[in-house]
Amino acid sequence: RKEVEQDPGPFNVPEGATVAFNCTYSNSASQSFFWYRQDCRKEPKLLMSVYSSGNEDGRFTAQLNRASQYISLLIRDSKLSDSATYLCVGVYNFNKFYFGSGTKLNVKP
Amino acid sequence: GAVVSQHPSWVICKSGTSVKIECRSLDFQATTMFWYRQFPKQSLMLMATSNEGSKATYEQGVEKDKFLINHASLTLSTLTVTSAHPEDSSFYICSAYPPGGAGSEQYFGPGTRLTVT
Repeated sequence: RKEVEQDPGPFNVPEGATVAFNCTYSNSASQSFFWYRQDCRKEPKLLMSVYSSGNEDGRFTAQLNRASQYISLLIRDSKLSDSATYLCVGVYNFNKFYFGSGTKLNVKP
Repeated sequence: GAVVSQHPSWVICKSGTSVKIECRSLDFQATTMFWYRQFPKQSLMLMATSNEGSKATYEQGVEKDKFLINHASLTLSTLTVTSAHPEDSSFYICSAYPPGGAGSEQYFGPGTRLTVT
């Protein structure tokens, strides 16, 4: 079983829509979580950290639910430029990053 | 923010040859760097943890004799794919975080696309 699992999508949404992704993790010992964004054939870029108390950055909101072992990402008012693959990451042993398989988002005009 | 570079950005080699990929931290010292591999339409898979001045730690299923890692300085780690085969064709990405940054954001290099013919 993978450490971190995501729905690969793709999620096809119109501009302005609200879309949510979930990611589950299997190791309750994970210390921290992140959402990264990866554009085609590029390296991942940090989108935001994920906290139990929730983390909001503009149109993006991330949430961690330790009891159910999942993290979520909510994108409001989707833009064309939000089209990318979104990777959730669980951190173990304080430095090992385990990536989910990624969720592909296509925002259509 | 911190910058990590990789060289080369892409390489084509013949089967049986070896390829060296460099990962450099440009504006910070990195005692630990990480090497990932990403096959098309798949996620990044951690291959190994590169530790400055000591042996790398490999993830289960990664052949240490095939993927040689050398972290000779605080700003440079190298990955050498030995006796490359077409199935080694992949996108190789390194990452690092500054000392004391364990568990925090990792900074990723731009990746090296390896094609073995």
